[in-house]
Amino acid sequence: DSGVTQTPKHLITATGQRVTLRCSPRSGDLSVYWYQQSLDQGLQFLIQYYNGEERAKGNILERFSAQQFPDLHSELNLSSLELGDSALYFCASSDGLSEQFFGPGTRLTVL
Amino acid sequence: KNEVEQSPQNLTAQEGEFITINCSYSVGISALHWLQQHPGGGIVSLFMLSSGKKKHGRLIATINIQEKHSSLHITASHPRDSAVYICAVLMDSNYQLIWGAGTKLIIKP
Repeated sequence: DSGVTQTPKHLITATGQRVTLRCSPRSGDLSVYWYQQSLDQGLQFLIQYYNGEERAKGNILERFSAQQFPDLHSELNLSSLELGDSALYFCASSDGLSEQFFGPGTRLTVL
Repeated sequence: KNEVEQSPQNLTAQEGEFITINCSYSVGISALHWLQQHPGGGIVSLFMLSSGKKKHGRLIATINIQEKHSSLHITASHPRDSAVYICAVLMDSNYQLIWGAGTKLIIKP
């Protein structure tokens, strides 16, 4: 158990819809990272937050947004969903400089 | 050319064999991660290293900073080691992780 929690575990929705994925980092970790892993693809970095502030942005679509709240949990919002958004979404946390610890992931299926 | 290259892409071996997975990178790094992704999708961090060698059970990771190369070794491999092994480097310029494509390992009983 990495100490990082993600909810929900599975999510099935339709094209055009909007969903919110939630991540709670390990106790004491200020940094949260979001990654997308499409079928048979490597992990794609989406965005990083550090202590509530956006620190780095990767290949995140404009339809996607994220935020980190004062209690350090983070949410990834995906809107106007397309079939190609079906993927595993991972959250990871760290103290900002060292090892990242991964959550179990949320499997999103867009039908 | 990818900034992080892993080899081999796929590896099938018999139980008990000594396994080596390689990772080469072309950027300046502050650390290198080895991670394991199980068939169910979960990701486990195996090692983070910035120099030398680390050992945990049957797993050994080494890094040569001058040659920009790291290896992950598995001794006495077991079918439960079957997974995708991913190398990721933490860039020293912006502390972002750059991922290798992964090595799919299958250990046959």
